[in-house]
Amino acid sequence: ETGVTQTPRHLVMGMTNKKSLKCEQHLGHNAMYWYKQSAKKPLELMFVYNFKEQTENNSVPSRFSPECPNSSHLFLHLHTLQPEDSALYLCASSQGRDVGYFGPGTRLTVL
Amino acid sequence: AQSVTQPDIHITVSEGASLELRCNYSYGATPYLFWYVQSPGQGLQLLLKYFSGDTLVQGIKGFEAEFKRSQSSFNLRKPSVHWSDAAEYFCAVGASSYSSASKIIFGSGTRLSIRP
Repeated sequence: ETGVTQTPRHLVMGMTNKKSLKCEQHLGHNAMYWYKQSAKKPLELMFVYNFKEQTENNSVPSRFSPECPNSSHLFLHLHTLQPEDSALYLCASSQGRDVGYFGPGTRLTVL
Repeated sequence: AQSVTQPDIHITVSEGASLELRCNYSYGATPYLFWYVQSPGQGLQLLLKYFSGDTLVQGIKGFEAEFKRSQSSFNLRKPSVHWSDAAEYFCAVGASSYSSASKIIFGSGTRLSIRP
């Protein structure tokens, strides 16, 4: 695999479920990001990780819990979500001038 | 703080006509600038990016963009659009650092429709 991959590509979950989104980058980058794209809203940066350490959390509700076990993997753990959390979740990676690499996204629907 | 403005929410052009999508940015130093395209239900595809050097950047699918520092603009152009160009287009600004992460901030997007 090359670039940035995300699994699953589609996810449907109930409000009481717990699920996780996975992102893997095969580019040797040190920074990884989660973005959220809701209908009729701009792409929002959620979390930033650099060398496995979280460097930014843009006031994201605690029902979203990120995890970065190493520089190649990033997870987004989801629990007790709301229907308004339905969105496309995009992962990205970068290092130095190697910026702007996005995965295909996970389309999440919360029932 | 970084910000990006795309003043046109929706543009309709005829197939074969020329296209220009506007983008203005706010950033304290020389930014990295990007244009992405997103088809319905799909992820983001990078069209082109500007880091430094020649201010006219060529991208994929026949697109180009020009960086104008004096106007804080990075407009996207295509001389002749095709029906397959109908999509949402996002301008974005970012920074680069070897010691910290380089987040990208997006504009709100411009939806392009093509008139047959």
